[in-house]
Amino acid sequence: AQRVTQPEKLLSVFKGAPVELKCNYSYSGSPELFWYVQYSRQRLQLLLRHISRESIKGFTADLNKGETSFHLKKPFAQEEDSAMYYCAILSSGGYNKLIFGAGTRLAVHP
Amino acid sequence: DGGITQSPKYLFRKEGQNVTLSCEQNLNHDAMYWYRQDPGQGLRLIYYSQIVNDFQKGDIAEGYSVSREKKESFPLTVTSAQKNPTAFYLCASRDRGSEKLFFGSGTQLSVL
Repeated sequence: AQRVTQPEKLLSVFKGAPVELKCNYSYSGSPELFWYVQYSRQRLQLLLRHISRESIKGFTADLNKGETSFHLKKPFAQEEDSAMYYCAILSSGGYNKLIFGAGTRLAVHP
Repeated sequence: DGGITQSPKYLFRKEGQNVTLSCEQNLNHDAMYWYRQDPGQGLRLIYYSQIVNDFQKGDIAEGYSVSREKKESFPLTVTSAQKNPTAFYLCASRDRGSEKLFFGSGTQLSVL
């Protein structure tokens, strides 16, 4: 079964500290993975996708097929990074549907 | 202003009542989705539609129904068969050839 696991419900750090939000997946084949973010009182929006190998707002995520992980990292957290982060995988089978993890709330303290 | 609009923002349902949540998009996207968001459970897919007049059940379709009569509209009906309807409902759309989902601002449904 295709599944996304985010083991941490809450991650609390101080401003300037490194951040790593964990995401593990189960999938047969070549996965396509994404990170979505929901800031307070804003819509859920795409942060980054693994195929783009991009850095958005200082965040990066590397797909590790050996560990089936797609952890989201930022070297120096900012207060404005506080939000709910969801890891998602694109389901196979002919219909493009995203399967989301349970989400991790990141709280960055001053 | 292009985008995806959900209404109402808050909705209350009485016992035995069916309620319909609206989702409209003017992005000309082919695919539309309904997700349910519960604390600690993330987003779970209810129904999705790839094209007009076609839709598929997601992981938690029981107690819900949808229609896709127009490309821009994908209403979700929460029926009386849904015994635990209190949740935050999110609608999303996606353009053909893209994996990026655009989300609405959501509807909070509560039971009276």
